[in-house]
Amino acid sequence: SQTIHQWPATLVQPVGSPLSLECTVEGTSNPNLYWYRQAAGRGLQLLFYSVGIGQISSEVPQNLSASRPQDRQFILSSKKLLLSDSGFYLCALLMLNTEAFFGQGTRLTVV
Amino acid sequence: KNEVEQSPQNLTAQEGEFITINCSYSVGISALHWLQQHPGGGIVSLFMLSSGKKKHGRLIATINIQEKHSSLHITASHPRDSAVYICAGYQGGSEKLVFGKGTKLTVNP
Repeated sequence: SQTIHQWPATLVQPVGSPLSLECTVEGTSNPNLYWYRQAAGRGLQLLFYSVGIGQISSEVPQNLSASRPQDRQFILSSKKLLLSDSGFYLCALLMLNTEAFFGQGTRLTVV
Repeated sequence: KNEVEQSPQNLTAQEGEFITINCSYSVGISALHWLQQHPGGGIVSLFMLSSGKKKHGRLIATINIQEKHSSLHITASHPRDSAVYICAGYQGGSEKLVFGKGTKLTVNP
């Protein structure tokens, strides 16, 4: 069955530092992968999605970027974090039959 | 306007009560997910449905395609049901999940 591994679970980073969150998938190939962010008190907002290696679509302009170097790997990055980047980041996998699977999430606090 | 609207935003119930959370969605959404998010943040998929009704234990999810409306029911609620329940719509055209803002449920003993 499909599983998503996302790490780390929590992260505290200073303003201006870089960020790298990794999401890896098992049990399926060529998945559609998604990065969402949930700011405090708000719903999940789509940041990036990828339908294949090297294919990244950005939903909102921001201080973040995403990459998909391998079929089952999706990375969220930033060169310099801002305070406003704090939030809960979630990696998701969507199957062709619309089943969805989620990583454990990463709670990022930028200080 | 959000493509997926949930209500209520917050819900407090006494143990044993029957609970209903509602979700309305816009055109273009072909399937609905009900998700549960615990205080630690992790999200668990409860149901995915595109028609009819599904039941798992004390949880029941229904969807009315004509009215573009779905409900999540919890029978005999328990404090361990306390969580945020999120409705998410699958947009077939864009292959994306659009999330509602969630309903925070608190069940008191």
